[in-house]
Amino acid sequence: GAVVSQHPSRVICKSGTSVKIECRSLDFQATTMFWYRQFPKQSLMLMATSNEGSKATYEQGVEKDKFLINHASLTLSTLTVTSAHPEDSSFYICSAGGALKETQYFGPGTRLLVL
Amino acid sequence: GIQVEQSPPDLILQEGANSTLRCNFSDSVNNLQWFHQNPWGQLINLFYIPSGTKQNGRLSATTVATERYSLLYISSSQTTDSGVYFCAVARTGYSTLTFGKGTMLLVSP
Repeated sequence: GAVVSQHPSRVICKSGTSVKIECRSLDFQATTMFWYRQFPKQSLMLMATSNEGSKATYEQGVEKDKFLINHASLTLSTLTVTSAHPEDSSFYICSAGGALKETQYFGPGTRLLVL
Repeated sequence: GIQVEQSPPDLILQEGANSTLRCNFSDSVNNLQWFHQNPWGQLINLFYIPSGTKQNGRLSATTVATERYSLLYISSSQTTDSGVYFCAVARTGYSTLTFGKGTMLLVSP
């Protein structure tokens, strides 16, 4: 099946620093990747849709200057949390569309803790 | 946007028991998926089932699109089935998914 990786799996940083999270589709090409955020004991909330070679589409209420998304190739999308603050602490999950475009395959997630 | 409601919110089972999880959605959809999120956070695809019935081992799912609901059946539950089960839908085949709040399942030995 389709495999999606994320790196790092967890990160702890100081307030004010920037953190980059990578999402890779390992065995298929994904023209579209999605970034979600999940708070403890809550559902997944879509942050943005990342399209290869074009600007990301952000959901309402998500600051595009705060959460920078780059989809430089068909197998890699990155999310950069700029000037992170404690309220940005969360579980960030990416997904990629598979060969059957209707399905999405999810990465293992990245736990971000901002001190 | 589409509203997705899952029930029950929490479920505790003894190992070996069967269970049914429900997903109601507020509008017509062409994409419905069930996921299992394990205790480490990984989401695992269970079914892509915008309509009809599918089975995979001890799991099966049925979607009645005209009545806007889907059911996930877990038979002979095992402790490894514990986690959160999410239903997610989209209006078109390849648009953004809207997730329900999930059903948290705990299977005790």
